[in-house]
Amino acid sequence: QKEVEQNSGPLSVPEGAIASLNCTYSDRGSQSFFWYRQYSGKSPELIMSIYSNGDKEDGRFTAQLNKASQYVSLLIRDSQPSDSATYLCAVNRDDKIIFGKGTRLHILP
Amino acid sequence: EAGVTQSPTHLIKTRGQQVTLRCSPISGHTSVYWYQQALGLGLQFLLWYDEGEERNRGNFPPRFSGRQFPNYSSELNVNALELEDSALYLCASSLDLLVQETQYFGPGTRLLVL
Repeated sequence: QKEVEQNSGPLSVPEGAIASLNCTYSDRGSQSFFWYRQYSGKSPELIMSIYSNGDKEDGRFTAQLNKASQYVSLLIRDSQPSDSATYLCAVNRDDKIIFGKGTRLHILP
Repeated sequence: EAGVTQSPTHLIKTRGQQVTLRCSPISGHTSVYWYQQALGLGLQFLLWYDEGEERNRGNFPPRFSGRQFPNYSSELNVNALELEDSALYLCASSLDLLVQETQYFGPGTRLLVL
């Protein structure tokens, strides 16, 4: 089992709709979870971090964490073409941050 | 505030050569991380330095090494380059050891090994 798993996509979502990105992780001891956005040819940029079960909202973004199910998700409301990018889920383990391979999101104008 | 900087931006080497990549963290950040992002493999953790010491290392051979200087800048050295070392090498920094998770990435160095 991979440590951090994401559907590679591409995930196509109409502009204005909600984009839902999912991630599962294998280490039950992980305590910190992150979503990064990476535009093609650019470096990753942190969107959100979440540490407790439940939802965390920041503008159009909502991160959801369920430690019992070892599942973390990112919702993007009112999707914009500028949201088209690869979204990386990251989880801490043993003093390392483990990244998933990312989900490519394509917002359809 | 200046972000994480890396040099060079692009590099072309041949198999067997050695390369040194450089990274300057955000001012005030003491932790520096190195990652390799090869096509199709995602971000792979390479090394973590804090206060001049190597804190952790990913599953890479010993020909990948580095160091952190007193000003917290860092170098990544790769010896005996192989074709599969072609990748984007990303450096990230964080404020200190306790908040290591909040990492800010530099623009990366794109290495091509021929």
